[in-house]
Amino acid sequence: EVQLLESGGGLVQPGGSLRLSCAASEFTFNNYAMSWVRQAPGKGLEWVSAISASGGTTYYADSVKGRFTISRDNSRNTLILQMYSLRAEDTAVYFCAKGSRYGSGSPIDYWGQGTLVTVSS
Amino acid sequence: EIVLTQSPGTLSVSPGERVTLSCRASETVSSRFLAWYQQKPGQAPRLLIYDASSRATGIPDRFSGSGSGTDFALTISRLEPEDFAVYYCQQYRSSPQTFGQGTKVEIK
Repeated sequence: EVQLLESGGGLVQPGGSLRLSCAASEFTFNNYAMSWVRQAPGKGLEWVSAISASGGTTYYADSVKGRFTISRDNSRNTLILQMYSLRAEDTAVYFCAKGSRYGSGSPIDYWGQGTLVTVSS
Repeated sequence: EIVLTQSPGTLSVSPGERVTLSCRASETVSSRFLAWYQQKPGQAPRLLIYDASSRATGIPDRFSGSGSGTDFALTISRLEPEDFAVYYCQQYRSSPQTFGQGTKVEIK
C-alpha cells in the first residue's frame, strides 16, 4: 500500500520559514508527479504546488509563488516544500499528494494524512 | 486560472436517495481533466472519479461522473450512510490546478 508520511509542520511566527518533508514508500517514486495541497481550518482544499516526476518542472499557486519552493529527491523518495515569508493565511494542514501519472497534469490518487502549519505570533 | 464553482453548497438528503452534484468551470477544461474527491471529517480526501467519468480503483459503481467542456456532475445513485461527506471537484489540465469550494452532503 502506498505510504506518504509528512513531517516538519509546527508553529512559526509571521515572516518565518518552515520546511515540510514527505517520505514516500511502496511505489516507484520517480515515476509519478507529486503535489502539495493545503486546507485551512474549516475550509476547502487549495492546491499549492506540483512537481514533475523528474523534478525538472515545477508549478505554484499564485498565493505562494516566490515564497514557497517545491523539490524532490528521487534517490531518497522524498518530497520537500520549503516555505519562506510565512503569513497567517498560510495556516493550514498541508497534504503530500501523489499524482496518478508521470506528468504533473494528473489526478491525485493517494494522499498523506497531513501536517499542520500554524503561523502566529 | 480556471475557477470551479460547485453547487449546491449543502445538500440535505436521506439514505437511499439519488443525488447529483454540479461543478461548473469558468473556461473549458480540455481533455476532460476533471476529478472528484470525497472527504470525511479528520481524513484526507479520497479520489472517486478522474478524467470526468472514470471511477478510481475500489470505488463503488453507485458513483458516476459525467460532463465535458465547462459543466460536470457527480451522481450518487443510492446514498449509503458512509457517503455523507464533503465532495470536491478539481481540474488538473492547466496550472494552477484548482479545486471547487466543495459540496457538503448531509443527512436529512
